[in-house]
Amino acid sequence: RKEVEQDPGPFNVPEGATVAFNCTYSNSASQSFFWYRQDCRKEPKLLMSVYSSGNEDGRFTAQLNRASQYISLLIRDSKLSDSATYLCVVNTNNDMRFGAGTRLTVKP
Amino acid sequence: GAVVSQHPSWVICKSGTSVKIECRSLDFQATTMFWYRQFPKQSLMLMATSNEGSKATYEQGVEKDKFLINHASLTLSTLTVTSAHPEDSSFYICSAVTGTSRNEQFFGPGTRLTVL
Repeated sequence: RKEVEQDPGPFNVPEGATVAFNCTYSNSASQSFFWYRQDCRKEPKLLMSVYSSGNEDGRFTAQLNRASQYISLLIRDSKLSDSATYLCVVNTNNDMRFGAGTRLTVKP
Repeated sequence: GAVVSQHPSWVICKSGTSVKIECRSLDFQATTMFWYRQFPKQSLMLMATSNEGSKATYEQGVEKDKFLINHASLTLSTLTVTSAHPEDSSFYICSAVTGTSRNEQFFGPGTRLTVL
C-alpha cells in the first residue's frame, strides 16, 4: 500500500461546480497534513494546512479524519483558475510524503 | 513568503555528460534543503536531504555517486547529475526550510532536465 494515495482523476467540472478530493494515508502516527497545488511544469505551492477540526479558506475547505486516515479538500464555486493538480502531503516525524496528485480541469 | 530560486530552469544535454543544478534561498538562510524528482504524472519523490556543511542523506534507491549534492552555505545547495542518461530526464525540484520543522517548505521553480 502506498503511503499516500489519491485518485489521479482527471476531474473535469464546469465553472461554478463543487468538487471534492480525498486522500488516504497509511501511517496512523502521521502528524501534519497539507494540500498543495501544482500547475503544469511548475513547483508545488502550499494551498492550505489541514487541521483536525477542519478549516476553511474562502472557497476551499479541508477536513481530516484520523480514525479513517483520510483527508479531503472541497472546492466550491470552481473557477477556471482552479485548474491544476492538487497534491496531498503527509508529514510523519518530519518525513514529508507526497501523493501523486489529483488533476482538476474546470471548463467554461 | 520566502523565495527559492533554481538554475537553470531547463537543460538539454547529451548522454554521458554531467549537469549541475543550483538551488538558492534568496532572502533567508536555509538550514536544510531537499532535492526531489518528479516524473510525468507521478508524485514528487524525495531524493536527498541536504544540511549545510555536512554530507547529504540519500533516500533508499538513490545513488549518491550519481547524484552529487553539495551544500556549501546556508543559501546554496547544488545537485550534480553525473554521467546523465535518458532515464534521468525528469523535473528536479529543490525546497528549503528555515528551522527544524519541515512543515513549511519553500519550493524552487524546478529544473527540467532532458537527456538525449
